[in-house]
Amino acid sequence: KAGVTQTPRYLIKTRGQQVTLSCSPISGHRSVSWYQQTPGQGLQFLFEYFSETQRNKGNFPGRFSGRQFSNSRSEMNVSTLELGDSALYLCASSGSPGGAQHFGDGTRLSIL
Amino acid sequence: GIQVEQSPPDLILQEGANSTLRCNFSDSVNNLQWFHQNPWGQLINLFYIPSGTKQNGRLSATTVATERYSLLYISSSQTTDSGVYFCAVPSTTGANSKLTFGKGITLSVRP
Repeated sequence: KAGVTQTPRYLIKTRGQQVTLSCSPISGHRSVSWYQQTPGQGLQFLFEYFSETQRNKGNFPGRFSGRQFSNSRSEMNVSTLELGDSALYLCASSGSPGGAQHFGDGTRLSIL
Repeated sequence: GIQVEQSPPDLILQEGANSTLRCNFSDSVNNLQWFHQNPWGQLINLFYIPSGTKQNGRLSATTVATERYSLLYISSSQTTDSGVYFCAVPSTTGANSKLTFGKGITLSVRP
């Protein structure tokens, strides 16, 4: 069974640009969550989607948004990028909300 | 919100040694996960353990939900065990995937 797939693996952007990250969950998993990992703040929750609906949202500005498609694939978008958005962005999927979460390899975003 | 504390923050072991990593949480939870993040950043699910004890090879975990802590045991450590170990619990009640992570325990296993 294929794991969680995140694309791209690495991304370099400049301040003010926007970016879209993609996450394909494990086959059959309908719950997808996103996390941001930085050295200073650690792992922080961004959003949770289940059946195309956002169920939970973390404490991030409105520049961070996401969506989930009918095939459970999810995207997150960050607009007007800032230097502080440089981070490892991790996506996780689970069979149901509250179930064991399995993470992808992440997208490492660098803002110049 | 719920607080998660892990100890010790850093651990250095000689290959073959055993270790115990601890995770304390501030409120009742209905599940808990342990993860290992390797040097390449991959976050690997070790255990999903709301309560009781589970074993997987050289690793085992115990969660005592009533006392709000969990322990991860690593026996006969290997250099490939190096990395950061995180525990995580749901941030809110009910079935949800919003996890709060501890700050992690950095483990270095020397050959």
